[in-house]
Amino acid sequence: DAGVIQSPRHEVTEMGQEVTLRCKPISGHNSLFWYRQTMMRGLELLIYFNNNVPIDDSGMPEDRFSAKMPNASFSTLKIQPSEPRDSAVYFCASSSGTLMNTEAFFGQGTRLTVV
Amino acid sequence: LAKTTQPISMDSYEGQEVNITCSHNNIATNDYITWYQQFPSQGPRFIIQGYKTKVTNEVASLFIPADRKSSTLSLPRVSLSDTAVYYCPHGSSNTGKLIFGQGTTLQVKP
Repeated sequence: DAGVIQSPRHEVTEMGQEVTLRCKPISGHNSLFWYRQTMMRGLELLIYFNNNVPIDDSGMPEDRFSAKMPNASFSTLKIQPSEPRDSAVYFCASSSGTLMNTEAFFGQGTRLTVV
Repeated sequence: LAKTTQPISMDSYEGQEVNITCSHNNIATNDYITWYQQFPSQGPRFIIQGYKTKVTNEVASLFIPADRKSSTLSLPRVSLSDTAVYYCPHGSSNTGKLIFGQGTTLQVKP
């Protein structure tokens, strides 16, 4: 397996534009996580899916952020409208069970810059 | 809110053993303890996991005391390539959340 695949690797957009980040988890994994990483706030959990269902979205910063998982092999994180403070590296991770006894595999991340 | 606490940074020299300790506040009975490593421009990578006592793999050892209130990641004979951020995230077996703190930035010097 190629691991967790995220696209794009880099995204530069203007404030107010819609941004969509994509993630393909490892085949067979039933849990998917979206994280955001900045120097100031570190690695923050945004949302967690289990079997394609959003379980906990309490980390989503505000209504401008939304995430979907239409099937087991694909998830999106959308920001509409984007703002400069959304600039960060966004990671997607997947695991095959509960995190407590299996490891989470992270993608390479999408570096988002909003100007 | 349950969380983990670890030193912000550590320095070491090549060939030394490095021990990074993490405090696990309010760890639940069913929670495992995991450690991750992150290099610049990469996502975190799982290193090791344990429940209690000692676990060893090809990368590191993990020591967990009986009360499970802390854990120590031990890296034997570090090299320059071990320079990275090391995390002991808090995981909840109830919610599935894996919460990362600021991590420990390890700088290995020649």
